[in-house]
Amino acid sequence: QVRLVGSGGGLVQPGGSLRLSCAASGFTFSRYAMHWVRQAPGKGLEWVAFIRADENLKYYGDPVRGRFTISRDNSKNTLYLQMNGLRGDDTAVYYCAKDEGADRPDYLDYWGQGILVTVSS
Amino acid sequence: DIVMTQSPDSLAVSLGERATINCKSSQSLLHNSNNKNFLAWYQHKPGQPPKLLMYWASTRESGVPDRFSGSGSGTDFTLTISSLQAEDVAVYYCQQHYTTSLTFGGGTKVEIK
Repeated sequence: QVRLVGSGGGLVQPGGSLRLSCAASGFTFSRYAMHWVRQAPGKGLEWVAFIRADENLKYYGDPVRGRFTISRDNSKNTLYLQMNGLRGDDTAVYYCAKDEGADRPDYLDYWGQGILVTVSS
Repeated sequence: DIVMTQSPDSLAVSLGERATINCKSSQSLLHNSNNKNFLAWYQHKPGQPPKLLMYWASTRESGVPDRFSGSGSGTDFTLTISSLQAEDVAVYYCQQHYTTSLTFGGGTKVEIK
């Protein structure tokens, strides 16, 4: 079955950096686009970033563009999110999610358990 | 970005009764290329990841009970739970994928009356 296991979260000071990872199994990782989605405390879901299956196309939400970088290693079946210049409003649970297709952002058919990121001094 | 507006913010329904959640988009989600609405619905329970319920506005994901149904086209969509069960208590989100900048509705919390 599809499994998405996230890691790398924790407490970081404002202005700091963090790298999230998401290990995928149960499907052919290299054939599907992937996303990061977050949920701030008490808030709804917010899409963060998309990467195409071949990693040659990436999109970002406005709040993170220029600070966050999505990447993937298809040889390791792993998705990443490098987060720099972290701010308090980046505090959230971050989910990695599988897209139903390969090429463009569509609906998300499987989600990981979530990774807590807390930005605070 | 396309703005997705859900209503109500929350609703309380008796067990076995119908629950109706609305979702309105700021522009049409009906794509000329395939005549499909680029709209999905998710169920999110506390402590769990979101779960895909419906896609293309009205196609039920595999394994989702048939008491869940989706309808609507263009800018107005509805998720209906025909007979609410205790395990359906959750927050429900709509999401558009018409544009490459995905957006979610604000969520609707469904509780038992």
